[in-house]
Amino acid sequence: GAGVSQSPRYKVAKRGQDVALRCDPISGHVSLFWYQQALGQGPEFLTYFQNEAQLDKSGLPSDRFFAERPEGSVSTLKIQRTQQEDSAVYLCASSLGAQGRDGYTFGSGTRLTVV
Amino acid sequence: SQQGEEDPQALSIQEGENATMNCSYKTSINNLQWYRQNSGRGLVHLILIRSNEREKHSGRLRVTLDTSKKSSSLLITASRAADTASYFCASHTGGGNKLTFGTGTQLKVEL
Repeated sequence: GAGVSQSPRYKVAKRGQDVALRCDPISGHVSLFWYQQALGQGPEFLTYFQNEAQLDKSGLPSDRFFAERPEGSVSTLKIQRTQQEDSAVYLCASSLGAQGRDGYTFGSGTRLTVV
Repeated sequence: SQQGEEDPQALSIQEGENATMNCSYKTSINNLQWYRQNSGRGLVHLILIRSNEREKHSGRLRVTLDTSKKSSSLLITASRAADTASYFCASHTGGGNKLTFGTGTQLKVEL
């Protein structure tokens, strides 16, 4: 596609509910990244995929967070048993090359509110 | 954790003036990138400067990098109301694959 597409755009979840956030990267982009952005802060790294391989998941805040990219294109970030502190904008980014050192293209994000 | 800190946190200028934002980072970098984020939107890549470069231009943007001081600056010349946004610096460090963002500068350009 022309850009990185994320869905849903907004998600309200009740505390304890599971959510799944989807990212459609630019076709052919090898690298895919997930970031979490709290209100008024810069994005914080969550995880990185090179094709279907999850090479770095050091930023995932707890074992309630899980990400996958089974066919090396679309990725899903799943949060189990959501907590209020999970409320944030979740950003997906992709990059043509491995490691994404030449600049990323970001999606518009999914704003998650846990009530 | 945030790698960089930006200064100022907020900046308000008149249209036509220049805007300068500064970024300091903590560890050695491979490159430093600047992104813009409009309210409620994703980030847009503006410019990348490599660790062996000192200055780079792109349209109305000028970026400088001083690796001895671990700092970078972004200058927007002849600002426009449409430049109103948050601006973030971000860096790649060592052999890592993740981009680490600063805390951001909120720029407001008034008519």
